[in-house]
Amino acid sequence: DAGITQSPRHKVTETGTPVTLRCHQTENHRYMYWYRQDPGHGLRLIHYSYGVKDTDKGEVSDGYSVSRSKTEDFLLTLESATSSQTSVYFCAISEGRDTEAFFGQGTRLTVV
Amino acid sequence: GESVGLHLPTLSVQEGDNSIINCAYSNSASDYFIWYKQESGKGPQFIIDIRSNMDKRQGQRVTVLLNKTVKHLSLQIAATQPGDSAVYFCAETGGATNKLIFGTGTLLAVQP
Repeated sequence: DAGITQSPRHKVTETGTPVTLRCHQTENHRYMYWYRQDPGHGLRLIHYSYGVKDTDKGEVSDGYSVSRSKTEDFLLTLESATSSQTSVYFCAISEGRDTEAFFGQGTRLTVV
Repeated sequence: GESVGLHLPTLSVQEGDNSIINCAYSNSASDYFIWYKQESGKGPQFIIDIRSNMDKRQGQRVTVLLNKTVKHLSLQIAATQPGDSAVYFCAETGGATNKLIFGTGTLLAVQP
């Protein structure tokens, strides 16, 4: 899958706990994205990065923060998880703004 | 894997027929468009892309058409096969943003 690894692949956590999802790439691509996918909503952009320490908000950023301290890693943090954040989370990478994005296998997060 | 087909528009075709999947995009400044295929339990997979300086692009068994006047994108699949059954998404980026935004998706069901 184009050198993208998401971890963990599955996680169950309790409401109010912090959670961090990791996206690791070996392609040296500049752009990295975090999406969430829910039935009936398709893929919605949470945050994205266009370089080390360069990040911006997407469509559904409330309740999420990100960090990118090195090219290969993009972390998504839920500061205090809520049941509405139960979802499948996908990371994607692309070489440039106008080149195809490649997706990871996804992380299934359940907040109970 | 998790179902992402709930509440999605569905296109049902017979094996061997041609399929046409449509997408209306939102940003008139978008200049790069991608079609993705997503099978159950997997991440989206790149199919074909097109830039705004083109109105048609062909790949293997697939053709993408772009009509900028009405902000419409279509994906044509020739001789549809059972393995084409999946959810198909269009995505756009461009203008003043680096965001890659997805449409809601269409479920393609191929009947043998």
